[in-house]
Amino acid sequence: EDQVTQSPEALRLQEGESSSLNCSYTVSGLRGLFWYRQDPGKGPEFLFTLYSAGEEKEKERLKATLTKKESFLHITAPKPEDSATYLCAVPGLGSQGNLIFGKGTKLSVKP
Amino acid sequence: NAGVMQNPRHLVRRRGQEARLRCSPMKGHSHVYWYRQLPEEGLKFMVYLQKENIIDESGMPKERFSAEFPKEGPSILRIQQVVRGDSAAYFCASSATEQFFGPGTRLTVL
Repeated sequence: EDQVTQSPEALRLQEGESSSLNCSYTVSGLRGLFWYRQDPGKGPEFLFTLYSAGEEKEKERLKATLTKKESFLHITAPKPEDSATYLCAVPGLGSQGNLIFGKGTKLSVKP
Repeated sequence: NAGVMQNPRHLVRRRGQEARLRCSPMKGHSHVYWYRQLPEEGLKFMVYLQKENIIDESGMPKERFSAEFPKEGPSILRIQQVVRGDSAAYFCASSATEQFFGPGTRLTVL
């Protein structure tokens, strides 16, 4: 069964303290891995798509990387406004529209 | 360019009533997806539609739930005879390639 596991469940950082979030997956034939950010009471906001091992994408203080078994979201010198829940997802079997989401990592950045 | 729009944002229903959730995709997107998010749970896929077609409904409960995306107008997720367990946030997404999500409809069943 296809699965997506994110760790840690929650992460508290001080402003400027860099860290990484992990997303491990088990799927038959990866057809992309997606990172989203979700703020309380809002819908997920698209961040990145990664398609092949070794690929990296960057946006401001965020960098996403992909290996054959997992993806990392690196946060460099975070600010309080980076506080959110970060979700990763992969397409499941069947239609590519069926995204399987992890439960997310809730990030809190304190000033 | 307006994003994915959902209405209502909040919906309260009593047990046994019907709930209708609407989703207008981003301009130029012809693929619509519905997901459900329960408290402390991850997003769960429900159904994938294109205009006038259901492509994948593998995540839809077999009873009481239905979805459509007509030729004209928004996509509708319909829940008949709601029960307390249906209380959740329902998100719609649309795509050309990546899926972009709407703000969600928060359904509360009393």
